Amino acid sequence: DSGVTQTPKHLITATGQRVTLRCSPRSGDLSVYWYQQSLDQGLQFLIQYYNGEERAKGNILERFSAQQFPDLHSELNLSSLELGDSALYFCASSETGATNEKLFFGSGTQLSVL
Amino acid sequence: AQSVAQPEDQVNVAEGNPLTVKCTYSVSGNPYLFWYVQYPNRGLQFLLKYITGDNLVKGSYGFEAEFNKSQTSFHLKKPSALVSDSALYFCAVRDANQAGTALIFGKGTTLSVSS
Repeated sequence: DSGVTQTPKHLITATGQRVTLRCSPRSGDLSVYWYQQSLDQGLQFLIQYYNGEERAKGNILERFSAQQFPDLHSELNLSSLELGDSALYFCASSETGATNEKLFFGSGTQLSVL
Repeated sequence: AQSVAQPEDQVNVAEGNPLTVKCTYSVSGNPYLFWYVQYPNRGLQFLLKYITGDNLVKGSYGFEAEFNKSQTSFHLKKPSALVSDSALYFCAVRDANQAGTALIFGKGTTLSVSS
């Protein structure tokens, strides 16, 4: 168990809908990362937060947004969902977000858009 | 921009034989390099990392990796494969000289160890 908790584990929704994925980092970790894993694109970095502030941004669509709250949990909001958004979404955390730190990954949220 | 290439989608080895999973990288500055493993229906688990120092890095479960700066490679190795090593392996790189960059992963290599 990595100590990173993601909810829900599975999510099934329809095109055009909006969903929220939640992540609780390991105790003491200040930095949270979001990744999207799909068969064709592999593991794509979406966004990183450190202590509530955005630190790095990757290939995150404008329809997607994220935030990190004062208690350090993070939420990834996906709106106007399309079939192609179906993927496994991972959250990871690290202690300070420094470039030499290893990341601890949650078990992911499997999103299916029908 | 940083990138990682894992040239093999799948590597097949027999149990007891040595295994190598290949990785090459590209960064503008100095690299921090990582290997992660993913078992079915699980998140990624850290295996090892290269930050600085000895080019041969030892990690979890008997795995090791060799950093080769001239070839920009960081191949994962194990002297004797186990069936339980069968999983999806990811190489990842981060630019040590640029704050605000994220850990970028390769597309992954499926390792299949047969008994």
